[in-house]
Amino acid sequence: GQNIDQPTEMTATEGAIVQINCTYQTSGFNGLFWYQQHAGEAPTFLSYNVLDGLEEKGRFSSFLSRSKGYSYLLLKELQMKDSASYLCAVRDEGRFTGGFKTIFGAGTRLFVKA
Amino acid sequence: EAGVTQFPSHSVIEKGQTVTLRCDPISGHDNLYWYRRVMGKEIKFLLHFVKESKQDESGMPNNRFLAERTGGTYSTLKVQPAELEDSGVYFCASSQGSQPQHFGDGTRLSIL
Repeated sequence: GQNIDQPTEMTATEGAIVQINCTYQTSGFNGLFWYQQHAGEAPTFLSYNVLDGLEEKGRFSSFLSRSKGYSYLLLKELQMKDSASYLCAVRDEGRFTGGFKTIFGAGTRLFVKA
Repeated sequence: EAGVTQFPSHSVIEKGQTVTLRCDPISGHDNLYWYRRVMGKEIKFLLHFVKESKQDESGMPNNRFLAERTGGTYSTLKVQPAELEDSGVYFCASSQGSQPQHFGDGTRLSIL
């Protein structure tokens, strides 16, 4: 089946670094996404990994290991505005439909404190 | 460019009534997705259109839900008749090819 696990909540201090882990199980892996979602708003795209390794984009980096079914999102120089939910999502190619279904984790609520 | 737009932003209806949600994807995006987030749970996939064709509708909960995308532009999601458990936030997203999906702000649906 398909399953995505990530911690429910994390707390970190302004200016620090935080790593949010995600493990997944899927049959037709076709990429992993990280989204940020503030309360009451739409998820916004942060990063995309389809090959193993680290993708860096400003203060945000995302890592993928396909063999381990593992990814993390790294946030550096944390700011108060980074307080949000971070959603790990895996794109799965349907064995029978040929289409791409995106499966979301429940999200990690990050609290950044002063 | 204009983002994904959804209408209405909120809808409150009584059990047994019908509601139709609309999604206008980003212009030129062939892929259109519907998702639902029930209170306290993760975002769940409902279905995926490629242009006007349903590519994958394995996430649709039951036959009270009907999605259409006539002409391959905007899409509608109709719930008829609505039940209490249908309450949640319904998100629409669009993408071009294998590019990341862009989400709309969602429709918050409350069934009384």
